[in-house]
Amino acid sequence: QKEVEQNSGPLSVPEGAIASLNCTYSDRGSQSFFWYRQYSGKSPELIMFIYSNGDKEDGRFTAQLNKASQYVSLLIRDSQPSDSATYLCAVTTGFQKLVFGTGTRLLVSP
Amino acid sequence: EPEVTQTPSHQVTQMGQEVILRCVPISNHLYFYWYRQILGQKVEFLVSFYNNEISEKSEIFDDQFSVERPDGSNFTLKIRSTKLEDSAMYFCASKLALDIQYFGAGTRLSVL
Repeated sequence: QKEVEQNSGPLSVPEGAIASLNCTYSDRGSQSFFWYRQYSGKSPELIMFIYSNGDKEDGRFTAQLNKASQYVSLLIRDSQPSDSATYLCAVTTGFQKLVFGTGTRLLVSP
Repeated sequence: EPEVTQTPSHQVTQMGQEVILRCVPISNHLYFYWYRQILGQKVEFLVSFYNNEISEKSEIFDDQFSVERPDGSNFTLKIRSTKLEDSAMYFCASKLALDIQYFGAGTRLSVL
C-alpha cells in the first residue's frame, strides 16, 4: 500500500511566523510532489509542486524535496490568519493518480 | 481563468437509488479523474480516464460505479445503487499533460 504520511495537527503559529509542514511517502518510485490547501468544505487548491530534489520558492511558500529521505516539506513565511486551512501533501508515481496524505491543519492566530 | 465545473453542488438521495454526478473539465484537458473524500478523512482516488477509456481505478471503484464522457465536454460518475457509505464529497479533476491536476468545487452526496 503506497502511503503518504502527515501529522494531522493542529499546527498553531502566531501571525508573521514561519509555518513548517512535513510529509513522508513510502513509494520510492514517486515522481511528482504537490501541496494543496483545503478550506473546510471546499476542494483542494494547488499551492506548490516540485519534481526535483532541493528547494522551490514561490512568494511566501517554499517546497523542499529530499528523495533519499522520502521527505517533502512546505514552509510558509509571514503566516497570515487567512493561511489557516488544512494542507494536503500528494504524490504521483508513473501512473496518473494523486495519492494524498490525511492533511495537516494549520491555525494562524492574529 | 478556466475551471473545472461540477454539478450539482449537493445531491441528496435515498439508499438504493442511482445518482449521476456531472463534471465539465477544463476544455483542452486530456486526463480526467474522480476522487472522493468522506467527512474527516483523506482524499481518495476513484478512477482516471484518458482517450475515452478508464486508465486506472481503485478498489473503491467497484461494479456499482461507472464513468462516461458522453460528449466532448461532460464527464460523469454514476453510482447505480447508492449505499449509506457512499456519502462523501466527490471531486472531479482534470489535467492537460503535465502532472498538475485542477479540482472542481465538488459535489456533496448525502445518502439517506
